[in-house]
Amino acid sequence: GQQLNQSPQSMFIQEGEDVSMNCTSSSIFNTWLWYKQEPGEGPVLLIALYKAGELTSNGRLTAQFGITRKDSFLNISASIPSDVGIYFCAGQNKGSARQLTFGSGTQLTVLP
Amino acid sequence: DGGITQSPKYLFRKEGQNVTLSCEQNLNHDAMYWYRQDPGQGLRLIYYSQIVNDFQKGDIAEGYSVSREKKESFPLTVTSAQKNPTAFYLCASSAGTLYGYTFGSGTRLTVV
Repeated sequence: GQQLNQSPQSMFIQEGEDVSMNCTSSSIFNTWLWYKQEPGEGPVLLIALYKAGELTSNGRLTAQFGITRKDSFLNISASIPSDVGIYFCAGQNKGSARQLTFGSGTQLTVLP
Repeated sequence: DGGITQSPKYLFRKEGQNVTLSCEQNLNHDAMYWYRQDPGQGLRLIYYSQIVNDFQKGDIAEGYSVSREKKESFPLTVTSAQKNPTAFYLCASSAGTLYGYTFGSGTRLTVV
């Protein structure tokens, strides 16, 4: 199945630093979503984006739906230890039987 | 509260034995999904079901089987034909709209 290109694959940052990760696709999507997965748990939805160019925030998280509808990025400001986890992007098109296409994930480690 | 429940959280089985992973949701979602996650890798789709009594193979269906006799339930059987069954298994459900998936907390299967 199709995979989104998500980068970077992993990040090691100091507490307090800002983080940026992105996803690109060869196909357009109607919706972009960002999930966070903590160790040993299932992914949890962080942000959903529904319009090209849309910029949405959720606390210290900000995500954008690329104007071409083929990319999205997620920023985390002032990282804290509980930001540790795997962040997945996902693209979704209405009417698609398989619905979500996932990126390969960004493993974030926050060093104290 | 509505949600999706996977059980058990940890499962140990001997090689050559079939094992069934449970997934139950009370969100009234039509669609349900099974994913496999290996260390350092993303989510790979095993099977999905959009409606009761109907399901389709995903990208890595070999060695797995499912049933969808009730809207609330989508059990996954890992058969002895699966070459490398040790992994983290995630179940998800969706209302079929552009709101992404709700994931369960996963089952970690270890085959010895």
